[in-house]
Amino acid sequence: QSALTQPASVSGSPGQSITISCTGTSSDVGSYNLVSWYQQHPGKAPKVMIYEGSKRPSGVSNRFSGSKSGNTASLTISGLQAEDEADYYCCSYAGSSTWVFGGGTKLTVL
Amino acid sequence: QVQLVESGGGVVQPGRSLRLSCAASGFTFSSYAMHWVRQAPGKGLEWVAIMAYDGSDKYYADSVKGRFTISRDNSKNTLYLQMNSLRAEDAAVYYCAKAYCSGTSCPPDFWGQGTLVTVSS
Repeated sequence: QSALTQPASVSGSPGQSITISCTGTSSDVGSYNLVSWYQQHPGKAPKVMIYEGSKRPSGVSNRFSGSKSGNTASLTISGLQAEDEADYYCCSYAGSSTWVFGGGTKLTVL
Repeated sequence: QVQLVESGGGVVQPGRSLRLSCAASGFTFSSYAMHWVRQAPGKGLEWVAIMAYDGSDKYYADSVKGRFTISRDNSKNTLYLQMNSLRAEDAAVYYCAKAYCSGTSCPPDFWGQGTLVTVSS
């Protein structure tokens, strides 16, 4: 149950697009289409932004999109806005009914 | 609307026990699997445990296996986490989270606000 690998930080200017990667193994990200992405503002509970790799819950902006290639999942945020500044975590099913999170990525909107 | 309210956190000495509760409302609790996820101060999220909708299946992270027990009372719409033999590294905010569906292969969906557990002598 090793944590998924995410960049510690990413940044972008308002209006730009950024992508956060989430690298796992063939035992988790690579084997299942069950990657979720969560946004967490300081002192707040996480909020789901993407589930099952690329599905967006109702109410989540279509500026958020998810994809996967091999053992790496990605979250792309287009048209960056100041309110997008937060920590982002990926989460993947790891088999045998266990789950694993990434270490988290701090997004800074310049 | 969906609400999850955790309680039971506090300061506990190493080696002692604590039981967390998560009161659910706004959805059919008995139809969904539930997760516990924790976050140490200033650190990332760590998955702790999951229980299927009817309590038939439960699974744990290796870091808590044998010490923590997840359970639920569907008649009370409440999820529990019994934590025994607590260690300093168990100190964290503990979140309960509703899963997207009923089984243990369902990811977290909606999260509560968390309850803080401090382990200190």
